[in-house]
Amino acid sequence: DAGVIQSPRHEVTEMGQEVTLRCKPISGHNSLFWYRQTMMRGLELLIYFNNNVPIDDSGMPEDRFSAKMPNASFSTLKIQPSEPRDSAVYFCASREGSGTESNQPQHFGDGTRLSIL
Amino acid sequence: SQKIEQNSEALNIQEGKTATLTCNYTNYSPAYLQWYRQDPGRGPVFLLLIRENEKEKRKERLKVTFDTTLKQSLFHITASQPADSATYLCAPRSNSGYALNFGKGTSLLVTP
Repeated sequence: DAGVIQSPRHEVTEMGQEVTLRCKPISGHNSLFWYRQTMMRGLELLIYFNNNVPIDDSGMPEDRFSAKMPNASFSTLKIQPSEPRDSAVYFCASREGSGTESNQPQHFGDGTRLSIL
Repeated sequence: SQKIEQNSEALNIQEGKTATLTCNYTNYSPAYLQWYRQDPGRGPVFLLLIRENEKEKRKERLKVTFDTTLKQSLFHITASQPADSATYLCAPRSNSGYALNFGKGTSLLVTP
């Protein structure tokens, strides 16, 4: 049973470059979350999709960040242009449950460690 | 604003002892709270969920309590083992209902 799959696992790039992070949620899960984790701020929710529709993007830091979910099995988080302060570990998580309100566990991928030089 | 506090300092205990981790939250009343475990270089893994009308929940060597008056949850690992060494994250339900608010986590080290 494959879990949430994220790629790449590591990304090192120079400031100003475009970065695209990818996520394949668990099949059958209706909700998808993107998080960012840093030592200072912990795990922060960036955006939440339900049935491929963005429900809440209030955690997205600024216009440089965008996320899409073109179908139930794929999502991307894009940063353009990237800045050193974007360096963090980015996690994708999925959850089953047909409604937006659900107490089901979230299943996390192993993250993308992003370093912007 | 909503705030979640977990022991910021690492907890070091000896194998066989009970580890107790604390989670305090302020400025909201979550309907439930989840606990996750995170190993270095990995994503968080779900452990337990406890609802506001439940005082205590158990799963094997794990026990969670939820005191809505104190706005606190305690996470216990009994007969701790070195393999229990990890960071443990507290995650109360957010006010939106669909998401969780995560604490920064407490690092637990169990030594033989």
